[in-house]
Amino acid sequence: AQSVTQLGSHVSVSEGALVLLRCNYSSSVPPYLFWYVQYPNQGLQLLLKYTTGATLVKGINGFEAEFKKSETSFHLTKPSAHMSDAAEYFCAVSEGAGNNRKLIWGLGTSLAVNP
Amino acid sequence: GAGVSQSPSNKVTEKGKDVELRCDPISGHTALYWYRQSLGQGLEFLIYFQGNSAPDKSGLPSDRFSAERTGGSVSTLTIQRTQQEDSAVYLCASSFGNEQFFGPGTRLTVL
Repeated sequence: AQSVTQLGSHVSVSEGALVLLRCNYSSSVPPYLFWYVQYPNQGLQLLLKYTTGATLVKGINGFEAEFKKSETSFHLTKPSAHMSDAAEYFCAVSEGAGNNRKLIWGLGTSLAVNP
Repeated sequence: GAGVSQSPSNKVTEKGKDVELRCDPISGHTALYWYRQSLGQGLEFLIYFQGNSAPDKSGLPSDRFSAERTGGSVSTLTIQRTQQEDSAVYLCASSFGNEQFFGPGTRLTVL
């Protein structure tokens, strides 16, 4: 079965500093990988996704992630944190055949940005 | 355009009562998913609908949970004889491809 591990349930960075949120997955088939963000009292929003093709994917709000098959990782980065980036971030892998793309989720990482 | 909507936004119920949660997917999205977000468990897949195909119910935690999707559109998740451990945020998502679009969720509290 597929699984997702997010290292660090809480990450704190200073405004302007690099953001690095770690995600490792296990999958017996080529995975589809996703990062979602959940702002306080809001729903889940897709940040970026990897399906096929280029392994470095860019998303909204300046975030990007790189799929590294050899490391089974899909870490999320942003060069310079902004106060508005404070949120919960979830990494997910898509499992299932055909059209069934049910998501298997990591436990999430809460990002705090300090002034 | 309209996104995924869910109702009610909040539901407080007593242990043992039945509840129904509703999801209106984005028009034209053929796939619909239910997930549950609870403290300590994170996000868990519950059930998947795709067109007229048999749903994937592999994530439903017990036979107290059921769901249906009428006319390939609106879906209802029903929890019978609710228990305190059912307290969670229930999320619905719809898709037409690889990306799932999520509704705001229904926060269920079982007293």
